[in-house]
Amino acid sequence: NAGVMQNPRHLVRRRGQEARLRCSPMKGHSHVYWYRQLPEEGLKFMVYLQKENIIDESGMPKERFSAEFPKEGPSILRIQQVVRGDSAAYFCASSPGLAGYNEQFFGPGTRLTVL
Amino acid sequence: AQTVTQSQPEMSVQEAETVTLSCTYDTSESDYYLFWYKQPPSRQMILVIRQEAYKQQNATENRFSVNFQKAAKSFSLKISDSQLGDAAMYFCAYRSAPSNTDKLIFGTGTRLQVFP
Repeated sequence: NAGVMQNPRHLVRRRGQEARLRCSPMKGHSHVYWYRQLPEEGLKFMVYLQKENIIDESGMPKERFSAEFPKEGPSILRIQQVVRGDSAAYFCASSPGLAGYNEQFFGPGTRLTVL
Repeated sequence: AQTVTQSQPEMSVQEAETVTLSCTYDTSESDYYLFWYKQPPSRQMILVIRQEAYKQQNATENRFSVNFQKAAKSFSLKISDSQLGDAAMYFCAYRSAPSNTDKLIFGTGTRLQVFP
């Protein structure tokens, strides 16, 4: 059973370009979480999605950032018109979404560098 | 809002010795989970240990154990018989239970160095 997959692992963008980060959850998992880790900091929650629904986006910046988790295919975190401050590692985690406790399994992260 | 504080940016330990990493948190909730995650240089987040707040017994996983003091809102991690492979960033994290969101709230981390 493959783990959580994220691609690309490294992404370089120039200021003003768009960044698309992909996350394929573990097989059988229907819940996806996105976290951002700025240099020398802990992970910060951004958004929580179930298939075709955004459940909690309280950690998402109000502008330029969006996320989706379509019925088919990976979850996408999209950053429009990137700025240098968006440079960070972006982690995706998935869980099965069963009743009770569900462990979140993390992907290897995408390191975004904005030039 | 809940917060997690790790007051030790860096710690070091000699191989085979014991080290304790500190974590405090703030919450008004009575039911929650606490976690320690390890992040080695590969940056992969690895769950080390989990504690349910309703359990009085401290969680243990092989060489890793916690000291959970609910009234003091303290959750420290003890690593016994430290190994070179334990060198990593360690993050303390909090999660509400039950919750509509399941989001994890992380501290800023402690970098652990292990010397031979």
